[in-house]
Amino acid sequence: GAGVSQSPSNKVTEKGKDVELRCDPISGHTALYWYRQSLGQGLEFLIYFQGNSAPDKSGLPSDRFSAERTGGSVSTLTIQRTQQEDSAVYLCASSLLAQGWTGELFFGEGSRLTVL
Amino acid sequence: DQQVKQNSPSLSVQEGRISILNCDYTNSMFDYFLWYKKYPAEGPTFLISISSIKDKNEDGRFTVFLNKSAKHLSLHIVPSQPGDSAVYFCAASVMNSGYSTLTFGKGTMLLVSP
Repeated sequence: GAGVSQSPSNKVTEKGKDVELRCDPISGHTALYWYRQSLGQGLEFLIYFQGNSAPDKSGLPSDRFSAERTGGSVSTLTIQRTQQEDSAVYLCASSLLAQGWTGELFFGEGSRLTVL
Repeated sequence: DQQVKQNSPSLSVQEGRISILNCDYTNSMFDYFLWYKKYPAEGPTFLISISSIKDKNEDGRFTVFLNKSAKHLSLHIVPSQPGDSAVYFCAASVMNSGYSTLTFGKGTMLLVSP
């Protein structure tokens, strides 16, 4: 498809387990973002990738969270030793950063993570 | 410390009337503002934006107003339609930094009743 694709759409896991969430951005988009939305909260920035530059990890809540982007395309967000407070919808977005960029991000449908 | 605040978690409006969604921000470095709309089980989608050099931007039924001195923006929808029922997120960024992430508010759930 032409949009941002995320998988899995739903993930239920037990506390302490590791999970991986995948994002396939729009082809040609150089910037990729991970956000999360916890219940009753806004979209919380997690991490940002832009081309070959070092990622901006300033939003990652703890060292249990990590992300990588391979080949400038697909990204994986990994949460180790999951906790109940990690339960949220994890949203991936991409954009084409160029002069005159309007600031618009294109979001996927999200991966809903439930930690029991 | 929330830099973008949407103080109304919900708003109910009758079809045909005007919906006004409000947003306040604290970071004076923000120079670009956007509104996103989110339906359940879908990702947010871009609705309308405004640069800090403007005080109004209009697109069809949607108008965004920016009051820089008050650090306040609002989204007006007129006339409101039942299909507008969704969560609306205000977002802000610093565009002249070379790259930017968006800082989002907590959202306002709009319900437009027939």
